[in-house]
Order: sequence, then C-alpha cells, then structure tokens
Amino acid sequence: DAMVIQNPRYQVTQFGKPVTLSCSQTLNHNVMYWYQQKSSQAPKLLFHYYDKDFNNEADTPDNFQSRRPNTSFCFLDIRSPGLGDAAMYLCATSNHYPREGYTFGSGTRLTVV
Amino acid sequence: AQSVTQLDSHVSVSEGTPVLLRCNYSSSYSPSLFWYVQHPNKGLQLLLKYTSAATLVKGINGFEAEFKKSETSFHLTKPSAHMSDAAEYFCVVTANYGGATNKLIFGTGTLLAVQP
Repeated sequence: DAMVIQNPRYQVTQFGKPVTLSCSQTLNHNVMYWYQQKSSQAPKLLFHYYDKDFNNEADTPDNFQSRRPNTSFCFLDIRSPGLGDAAMYLCATSNHYPREGYTFGSGTRLTVV
Repeated sequence: AQSVTQLDSHVSVSEGTPVLLRCNYSSSYSPSLFWYVQHPNKGLQLLLKYTSAATLVKGINGFEAEFKKSETSFHLTKPSAHMSDAAEYFCVVTANYGGATNKLIFGTGTLLAVQP
C-alpha cells in the first residue's frame, strides 16, 4: 500500500546533540510537510517542500532544518535539541493543492534527556 | 483567513451511545473540511472530508459529518460509540483557492473518552 513512513518511531537524544528524523513516501506526492505536536496540542507546521522549493514558517526556530534529496525522502534535522523540543514529529504529504487532505505518517516521538 | 473552533476539549460517552463532536469554521473562500483521528502515540488518520460535493459525508468506522454553510459547522457524529473510538479528534479546514499550496488549519482537538 502507498504510504508515508517515518523512522524511527521513538528517538531519544541528548540535550544539544544533533538528531535527524526521517520520512519517506511511496505516494509520489510533490509536497512534504513537517509538523511538531506537543502533548495535548494540535500539530504545528514547521515547514514544507513544494517539489524542491523549501517553505519555512515564520515562527520556526533556526534550530530546525530540513532536507529533501529526492521526491520520496524528507529529513528533519534538529541541530541542538533542547528539552522544549521533546514532541511528536509528524510528516505528511499532499498532491499539489491539498483539497483532498494530507496523508500523515505515524510520527516519531522525540525525547530529549 | 481560515480558522476552526472545536467547541469541546473533552467529550465522554458510554459505549453504545451516540457521539457528537462539534466544529465551527471560518473561511474567506469555499472551504475543504476534514476530520482526523489520532490514537495515543500514533499519527493522524483521515476519517472523512468535505470538498464541495455532497454535504453529508460518510467516513470510516461509521462516522459521518454534515457541512452546514448557514451555520458554518461541520460536526462529527456516530450513532453508537465503541471502545476503540477513544482518541483525539481534530477538525481541519483549508481553503479552495488556487495558487500556492494551501495550508491545513487545525482545531485544538477534542479528546473522546468512551466508558464501558
């Protein structure tokens, strides 16, 4: 089945140690999104790629970066994780304009120790 | 601008009784509306969507929602709750205009508890 896959499901990292989260998709969607979701909150959009074009949200900290080497893969890099970055990170994809909604991955739960 | 308001942060029902999760939206354009469900430590699963076709939308697991333009509402219902329905539910809106990628605007979520 076509899907969005996030690895790993759970990630523990040390305070200040760079960490990378991975997302891959078999849907051939041209748009990929990264969301941060803290406990009991709605997901918050960090940035998205429209094809190769990177679109950052105005309030996304510089500590968060992203790479999209090809259509199928997108990475979220946190350069120096702080305790406040502990959250669920959700990857999503859509085909052009998301009138049909997004397809979400299962998420990566990040713990910072 | 688009926004969505989920009127209840927590809803508790007994198994076998009806479920009603309320959502009101605001949109400058013709909206697309969605309900997503999120079980603990899981990603978001699309329950159903309204994209300017039939106003009564049927989704998975027996859920349905009705788009009421006059009331700017898109409430989620299910005739009979099951224990497995216990989860967080998000109402989401996006605008139907062309041009740049449209963003999803999330409500704050409704946590549904189902009592045995």
